[in-house]
Amino acid sequence: DAKTTQPPSMDCAEGRAANLPCNHSTISGNEYVYWYRQIHSQGPQYIIHGLKNNETNEMASLIITEDRKSSTLILPHATLRDTAVYYCIALKYSGGSNYKLTFGKGTLLTVNP
Amino acid sequence: NAGVTQTPKFQVLKTGQSMTLQCAQDMNHEYMSWYRQDPGMGLRLIHYSVGAGITDQGEVPNGYNVSRSTTEDFPLRLLSAAPSQTSVYFCASSRDRGGQETQYFGPGTRLLVL
Repeated sequence: DAKTTQPPSMDCAEGRAANLPCNHSTISGNEYVYWYRQIHSQGPQYIIHGLKNNETNEMASLIITEDRKSSTLILPHATLRDTAVYYCIALKYSGGSNYKLTFGKGTLLTVNP
Repeated sequence: NAGVTQTPKFQVLKTGQSMTLQCAQDMNHEYMSWYRQDPGMGLRLIHYSVGAGITDQGEVPNGYNVSRSTTEDFPLRLLSAAPSQTSVYFCASSRDRGGQETQYFGPGTRLLVL
């Protein structure tokens, strides 16, 4: 799986959009970009994933650049409860041969009042 | 629908003791896995299962055993606890046998080995 690079920390004001970047310059054509988050002392929580098209769900939007070398997770109206470590993961979707989510160190997003 | 549940939430063991960490899911998921998370590190896969009766090793399997007699349960056994096994343990499940669909994580078990 491709290596991903994220900033170690970011701050965001409550109510504003939080834009979390992720670089994955070595991503291959069949690797999806997944985002999970981990609120302090809890298990990781799935947020969103995509291959090459932009995706949106009730939690967030995922913007993937046309060359797929980077992506941005957008939390449109951040709340204090969004304070967490956010993990960007490149995962090959190859019909059952990959069983491991590789979590790096992620980005600690702190939402300030 | 409780999702993924783990017991106990916290456990203290002495070196050499054995214990079983319990994990259960009520979503009829095929894939289940165990991770450990140590300070400053990401999650590392210990063991996983793609269905009842089928288990395999992950990245850091030494010192741990698993079994999968039912779809719902996936216990993790520490045979002889060591201080290096002090960690937070997370169980996860996924509908997909390959574990590539959304994984749902339990709340974790915090283990301290003295």
